[in-house]
Amino acid sequence: GEDVEQSLFLSVREGDSSVINCTYTDSSSTYLYWYKQEPGAGLQLLTYIFSNMDMKQDQRLTVLLNKKDKHLSLRIADTQTGDSAIYFCAEGYTDKLIFGTGTRLQVFP
Amino acid sequence: EAQVTQNPRYLITVTGKKLTVTCSQNMNHEYMSWYRQDPGLGLRQIYYSMNVEVTDKGDVPEGYKVSRKEKRNFPLILESPSPNQTSLYFCASTPTGGGEKLFFGSGTQLSVL
Repeated sequence: GEDVEQSLFLSVREGDSSVINCTYTDSSSTYLYWYKQEPGAGLQLLTYIFSNMDMKQDQRLTVLLNKKDKHLSLRIADTQTGDSAIYFCAEGYTDKLIFGTGTRLQVFP
Repeated sequence: EAQVTQNPRYLITVTGKKLTVTCSQNMNHEYMSWYRQDPGLGLRQIYYSMNVEVTDKGDVPEGYKVSRKEKRNFPLILESPSPNQTSLYFCASTPTGGGEKLFFGSGTQLSVL
């Protein structure tokens, strides 16, 4: 079945860039998503990319999609302490989203 | 304010005691779903509903029931909870099932002793 994999932890210094990686197996996915979960809260959609795109930029966020390798990444420029959270990538349609295991981003001063 | 509301926020119960976690959305969304979140496993879909009286199993439906009698409500029912159902549960909704943003509730932390 479909599978989405992420590394579990990432630690970066404040002001540096963060890159969170994700690999997926379903090549038919039309949408790929990044969600953010802050402590004690539900998930919030950060951004998404259509499968026919290679890159999407939204302020400090850059999403890169390598369809050949089925690899998705989220780059956060100028990482701040408020970016500390768990980040989930997901693939599929909204009624059948497959989530990754989540990457816990820790930002230290 | 547009939101998905889950209750309760925290629940501790014992094995076999039936419980219901409520979920309500005020956005007139057609699609609603339930997920459970476990460490190292991410979110896994339990059940989803495309509209009133239309429900379907997700990836981990065993031990759970749902109903969708009204558009705004989608309760999750555990008829006989077991310790392996200890988890963080999220309800979510969206206008349709075609790729739009999912709106999540704040979660229900359930512990089954």
